[in-house]
Amino acid sequence: EADIYQTPRYLVIGTGKKITLECSQTMGHDKMYWYQQDPGMELHLIHYSYGVNSTEKGDLSSESTVSRIRTEHFPLTLESARPSHTSQYLCASREGGHVEQFFGPGTRLTVL
Amino acid sequence: AQSVTQPDIHITVSEGASLELRCNYSYGATPYLFWYVQSPGQGLQLLLKYFSGDTLVQGIKGFEAEFKRSQSSFNLRKPSVHWSDAAEYFCAVGANNYGQNFVFGPGTRLSVLP
Repeated sequence: EADIYQTPRYLVIGTGKKITLECSQTMGHDKMYWYQQDPGMELHLIHYSYGVNSTEKGDLSSESTVSRIRTEHFPLTLESARPSHTSQYLCASREGGHVEQFFGPGTRLTVL
Repeated sequence: AQSVTQPDIHITVSEGASLELRCNYSYGATPYLFWYVQSPGQGLQLLLKYFSGDTLVQGIKGFEAEFKRSQSSFNLRKPSVHWSDAAEYFCAVGANNYGQNFVFGPGTRLSVLP
């Protein structure tokens, strides 16, 4: 059973606010990912991490930033939220040497 | 480069009817193939995966998929659909490498009529 958690599950916030979306996994996976998904649309990779202190940008350009200070934790931050950031954000992880990704339940963000 | 296509954006079936969702991929080597399901407002749940061996793989919730190398396909099937199967289904091809190791298809939305 995969254990990957995202908080909050839903967030409604005003323009200009700073927000951090949390993602934690208890499986000891070294690789973690953030995807952005608009309703009914495909997933787009926005950030990934090989391990602690390693982060890279994905295919979809994003104004968000990430950090990886601990193996189990991969938070995503928006310094100044805008309505264009309204979307669902999915976190995933996988074990090094394995292919399968495990997904969290997602955070649905609405910026007014 | 890897790519995945799912030709059907939206499929509607009646409850109890059979289902087949299509997936075609492009990959230079033997692919790792996956089907995920996403219920509204939820994350992705793995239905089944193919790495090697038997080309017909069984998954959870009564789903199965068949890998056909000659057709570059990995179609998902279920003999009798339940109303709870209504969801978005994503096919993905993966590799054991650094960086973006997964490529997802655009998804197929399944609606189930009572």
